[in-house]
Amino acid sequence: DADVTQTPRNRITKTGKRIMLECSQTKGHDRMYWYRQDPGLGLRLIYYSFDVKDINKGEISDGYSVSRQAQAKFSLSLESAIPNQTALYFCATSDLRPKETQYFGPGTRLLVL
Amino acid sequence: GENVEQHPSTLSVQEGDSAVIKCTYSDSASNYFPWYKQELGKGPQLIIDIRSNVGEKKDQRIAVTLNKTAKHFSLHITETQPEDSAVYFCAASRGDDMRFGAGTRLTVKP
Repeated sequence: DADVTQTPRNRITKTGKRIMLECSQTKGHDRMYWYRQDPGLGLRLIYYSFDVKDINKGEISDGYSVSRQAQAKFSLSLESAIPNQTALYFCATSDLRPKETQYFGPGTRLLVL
Repeated sequence: GENVEQHPSTLSVQEGDSAVIKCTYSDSASNYFPWYKQELGKGPQLIIDIRSNVGEKKDQRIAVTLNKTAKHFSLHITETQPEDSAVYFCAASRGDDMRFGAGTRLTVKP
């Protein structure tokens, strides 16, 4: 969905490096999410935010942190990347009604060597 | 928390045949069940959803059924076409907690 953009689209980094993945949206939605996708495991929620002042841990938040800089921007950071964080990362947004319907960005493919 | 299981993991059909993907969930409080289609190199896109107060919903060649008692729901695609080839994810949600199935890779052979 072109209304949700992610940068970079691909990233290769080394173990121990700090990296940031960025998400921007023009949908005007308050709710934003970060997921990771691994083969055979589907999508798992890392963090979510309901507004600029609200940040919540998801199912697998260890090793990650987030920042909600504005309504339209939600960043995911890996403070010290490790190889098992190699995955496809997706940002998503949703509106208040219906709050359950999520719109996904195109994804960032991350490889940690 | 909620646990969603999805079967099969891969499915291959001939063009024109039907395809069925099944999911089960564990939390009886879940009340929203979306299905997403993910094409190569893209993010998942919602194709159909159903709420717990409805047993079946149809949109052209796609339909979803829900059995709350058995806690399972299914995606049905009729008259499949090559462009239906993708990975499909089911999900179950109660309020703000949505859990996804592991995905089904559907291949439609021309």
